[in-house]
Amino acid sequence: NAGVTQTPKFRILKIGQSMTLQCTQDMNHNYMYWYRQDPGMGLKLIYYSVGAGITDKGEVPNGYNVSRSTTEDFPLRLELAAPSQTSVYFCASSYPREGAGEQYFGPGTRLTVT
Amino acid sequence: QQPVQSPQAVILREGEDAVINCSSSKALYSVHWYRQKHGEAPVFLMILLKGGEQKGHEKISASFNEKKQQSSLYLTASQLSYSGTYFCGTEHAGGTSYGKLTFGQGTILTVHP
Repeated sequence: NAGVTQTPKFRILKIGQSMTLQCTQDMNHNYMYWYRQDPGMGLKLIYYSVGAGITDKGEVPNGYNVSRSTTEDFPLRLELAAPSQTSVYFCASSYPREGAGEQYFGPGTRLTVT
Repeated sequence: QQPVQSPQAVILREGEDAVINCSSSKALYSVHWYRQKHGEAPVFLMILLKGGEQKGHEKISASFNEKKQQSSLYLTASQLSYSGTYFCGTEHAGGTSYGKLTFGQGTILTVHP
């Protein structure tokens, strides 16, 4: 199993550009999550999904959109990138056996907006 | 609301013990603990559920006080490999909170030889 994979690993965007961060998991997990982590800070939940076709906002959803058409994929769309979106983005998945369940994280995408 | 972790940083020598605390102002359903090495993704350590038992392995364990909405992570006889940032994630009871974690700001643990 590859686990959770994310692409790209690094990206530099100009202000106002758009991009999609890709996330795929091969563990058949129902739950998937997008977090952002600013330097020296904790993880902030952007969006999450409890299954294909179902998504909901987290703590910091503004400026982002998601979709979940399959169990495996959970892409994150950034529209009109702003410097405040410079961060490391982690995708995670879990099977909710115990509460939210053990979350498996992807390696992250390091995004810089200039 | 974000849980509060204390202390913010801990420096240890190999073999010493440490306790990291996590406190929430809201009723909790579960508390999760993760460790993150610099430049890497967080890695799961353990989950504690409301009404569940204290968990852990030989040298890393955790407790969950439901009445106080607090959890503590215990690291015993620390090793160099324990260095990293420790995060607690809290899952709140009820409604649309199920399945969502809110992470604390992290505790930086450094173990020296």
